[in-house]
Amino acid sequence: DGGITQSPKYLFRKEGQNVTLSCEQNLNHDAMYWYRQDPGQGLRLIYYSQIVNDFQKGDIAEGYSVSREKKESFPLTVTSAQKNPTAFYLCASTSGLAGGEQFFGPGTRLTVL
Amino acid sequence: AQSVAQPEDQVNVAEGNPLTVKCTYSVSGNPYLFWYVQYPNRGLQFLLKYITGDNLVKGSYGFEAEFNKSQTSFHLKKPSALVSDSALYFCAVRDKDSSASKIIFGSGTRLSIRP
Repeated sequence: DGGITQSPKYLFRKEGQNVTLSCEQNLNHDAMYWYRQDPGQGLRLIYYSQIVNDFQKGDIAEGYSVSREKKESFPLTVTSAQKNPTAFYLCASTSGLAGGEQFFGPGTRLTVL
Repeated sequence: AQSVAQPEDQVNVAEGNPLTVKCTYSVSGNPYLFWYVQYPNRGLQFLLKYITGDNLVKGSYGFEAEFNKSQTSFHLKKPSALVSDSALYFCAVRDKDSSASKIIFGSGTRLSIRP
């Protein structure tokens, strides 16, 4: 089956620790995205990448970092500089074709203890 | 700049009645428009999109949406609601005339269908 996988589904972190969220896709999509969703709120864009070895900051990039070494992988690191990291994190990809919709992974819920 | 507005945080409908979830947008060029649904603790699922052509777009699970250029709206509709339609719905827009590939999402509308 083609799709996007995110792991782990639930993640707990102590304050001051960095943590990396995994996102893998086998859809052969060029563009990949990371969003943050807080309770009762919409999606806020953290980072996106339109091509391997290139990525751009979204609206709330502070305290986060990403890499795009492979087309199918776009990991997100939540650093200790992120002051309020507890949230639901969603990864998405799109083919980049005009009008192409985004495909979403199942999400990772991060809780800082 | 692009933006999307979903003016209702929550919509309550009785099962079997028609439902409408509202969405208005703002883009400098022509829009690509999308609707997504999210069930609790899950990712977003694509429902339907408007690219060009017929203003009435049909999608998954019996949903449809009407593109209205003059009112800059793209309301989601269904003739007869089911309890299983209860979920969080997001409208999204991308500027067709921009080289950027970002999609902008609305804040979401929680749809509650009562039996």
